[in-house]
Amino acid sequence: AQSVAQPEDQVNVAEGNPLTVKCTYSVSGNPYLFWYVQYPNRGLQFLLKYITGDNLVKGSYGFEAEFNKSQTSFHLKKPSALVSDSALYFCAVRVLTGGGNKLTFGTGTQLKVEL
Amino acid sequence: ETGVTQTPRHLVMGMTNKKSLKCEQHLGHNAMYWYKQSAKKPLELMFVYNFKEQTENNSVPSRFSPECPNSSHLFLHLHTLQPEDSALYLCASSQPTRQGATDTQYFGPGTRLTVL
Repeated sequence: AQSVAQPEDQVNVAEGNPLTVKCTYSVSGNPYLFWYVQYPNRGLQFLLKYITGDNLVKGSYGFEAEFNKSQTSFHLKKPSALVSDSALYFCAVRVLTGGGNKLTFGTGTQLKVEL
Repeated sequence: ETGVTQTPRHLVMGMTNKKSLKCEQHLGHNAMYWYKQSAKKPLELMFVYNFKEQTENNSVPSRFSPECPNSSHLFLHLHTLQPEDSALYLCASSQPTRQGATDTQYFGPGTRLTVL
């Protein structure tokens, strides 16, 4: 069975500071990892994904994530946070199996960026 | 906008009502999904359709009945729901690839359902 853990319910960051939203995963094969963001009253928006290759993945809105196989982590990062980045962030994992369409999501991390 | 629309955006219904949620995608995708999002819980996959065929039912109670008449439209028919079914229901679509696990899902804005 595959699972995703987002250990922090909420992360608070001052605008202009770097931000990190943590994600760890557990799978029995090669993981495919995704980050989504959800703004209030909106659906999930795709940010970035790791499939293979370079461990540092760059995505939308200046976000990036680093795949670390030894630590089974895929933390989301941004060098300089904006107030408009405040939202709910979800990490998700999928493994290539017979049921390859099933994404497993974490519980989400609320990011709050303050002035 | 992601190219996935959902109607209605908000729905309040009694436990004896019958209602339907609608999802439409304008992305040319061939896979569509229903998810349930409840507070403080991970997104729960409910149903998956690939090329109009249901390929996954994640042990969803029969009071939820999906319908996929074509690759662009997905419905969720609701009847005799319970108050604990109140949640945000999200639709998503993707274009299946040969590798399966790497395709990206694009989500609609969701329908906020309240069951009284």
